[in-house]
Amino acid sequence: QKEVEQDPGPLSVPEGAIVSLNCTYSNSAFQYFMWYRQYSRKGPELLMYTYSSGNKEDGRFTAQVDKSSKYISLFIRDSQPSDSATYLCAMSLSSGSARQLTFGSGTQLTVLP
Amino acid sequence: DTGVSQDPRHKITKRGQNVTFRCDPISEHNRLYWYRQTLGQGPEFLTYFQNEAQLEKSRLLSDRFSAERPKGSFSTLEIQRTEQGDSAMYLCASSPGQGNTEAFFGQGTRLTVV
Repeated sequence: QKEVEQDPGPLSVPEGAIVSLNCTYSNSAFQYFMWYRQYSRKGPELLMYTYSSGNKEDGRFTAQVDKSSKYISLFIRDSQPSDSATYLCAMSLSSGSARQLTFGSGTQLTVLP
Repeated sequence: DTGVSQDPRHKITKRGQNVTFRCDPISEHNRLYWYRQTLGQGPEFLTYFQNEAQLEKSRLLSDRFSAERPKGSFSTLEIQRTEQGDSAMYLCASSPGQGNTEAFFGQGTRLTVV
């Protein structure tokens, strides 16, 4: 079993829809949680960064972390065709100097005009 | 451009050849990471530098792989005797340092071994 599980999709929604993307994880030591957006053949682009449990909002994007359930979510409001991409969740441990990221496998999202 | 820069963007090589990739991190970022991403998967951690010191290596990094960051600025990743299974996107990321784990990625080098 992978440390981070993410539904690969593909997920297809109409423009303007609210999108919910989710990841579950098994390692309770994860403390830092991130969402990256990756367009085809490009590097991942950092969207949201949160520490520990709670919500964080940035424009149309809201990240939620529920450490008790080991579950994180990314919500996209008023989705646009330009949001079509693969969304990767990532997390890292609370201690140690490396802070390398453990990624989910990504969810492919298509927003239809 | 002040982002993470990787060169080349694409590399096609014959099996058994050696290849070297370069990464220039965001200036003043003292942490540098290499990841590998195969189709349909998330990036997997390979190795990590703090300044010029290589502090951690993944089990994925076989002895055919070597990474350096000689002056704590740019880094190189070399793969010797390439195999078809090495075909992947090789991603470099950098982050500011202690207490801040935000990592910013480059566009990657796509390696195809034929």
